[in-house]
Amino acid sequence: NAGVTQTPKFRVLKTGQSMTLLCAQDMNHEYMYWYRQDPGMGLRLIHYSVGEGTTAKGEVPDGYNVSRLKKQNFLLGLESAAPSQTSVYFCASSNGLANYNEQFFGPGTRLTVL
Amino acid sequence: SQKIEQNSEALNIQEGKTATLTCNYTNYSPAYLQWYRQDPGRGPVFLLLIRENEKEKRKERLKVTFDTTLKQSLFHITASQPADSATYLCALHTSGTYKYIFGTGTRLKVLA
Repeated sequence: NAGVTQTPKFRVLKTGQSMTLLCAQDMNHEYMYWYRQDPGMGLRLIHYSVGEGTTAKGEVPDGYNVSRLKKQNFLLGLESAAPSQTSVYFCASSNGLANYNEQFFGPGTRLTVL
Repeated sequence: SQKIEQNSEALNIQEGKTATLTCNYTNYSPAYLQWYRQDPGRGPVFLLLIRENEKEKRKERLKVTFDTTLKQSLFHITASQPADSATYLCALHTSGTYKYIFGTGTRLKVLA
């Protein structure tokens, strides 16, 4: 099992450009999450999904959109990138049997917006 | 306001000693608390979960305590090794939600 994978690993964008980050998991997990991690701020939840076709806002959703068209994939979109979105983005998934189950994280995407 | 606090200062400890990391929270009533380990350039990895009605949980050299009166969790690594050097994150989960709120993490360095 590959677990949780993220593409790309690194990306540099100019202000105003758009991009999509892809997260894939092969564990048949119901729940998927997108976080951003900034120095001194810890992991902050952007959006999450509790099943295929569902999405919900987390703590810091502004400037991001998500889609969960297939159970194994969770996409994070930036429509018009801003320097404040420079961060490391982590995707995670967890088993839907219990909503407190451990989260499995991907390796992260380092995004720089110039 | 709701807050989760972990020691922002790095913790240096001599090999073989017990490392103790602290997670304090305010204005939460967590039902569960998790601890994760994160190495540089990698995603967090789950270590332990403890429920609100559990006082203590152990796994090999790891021990977690959860005091809902003090609003605090302590994470202990006994017989610490240089390989235990990493950042450790606590995360709170409240009943009725699908999400965890993470602390900022404490960086642990075990000196040989």
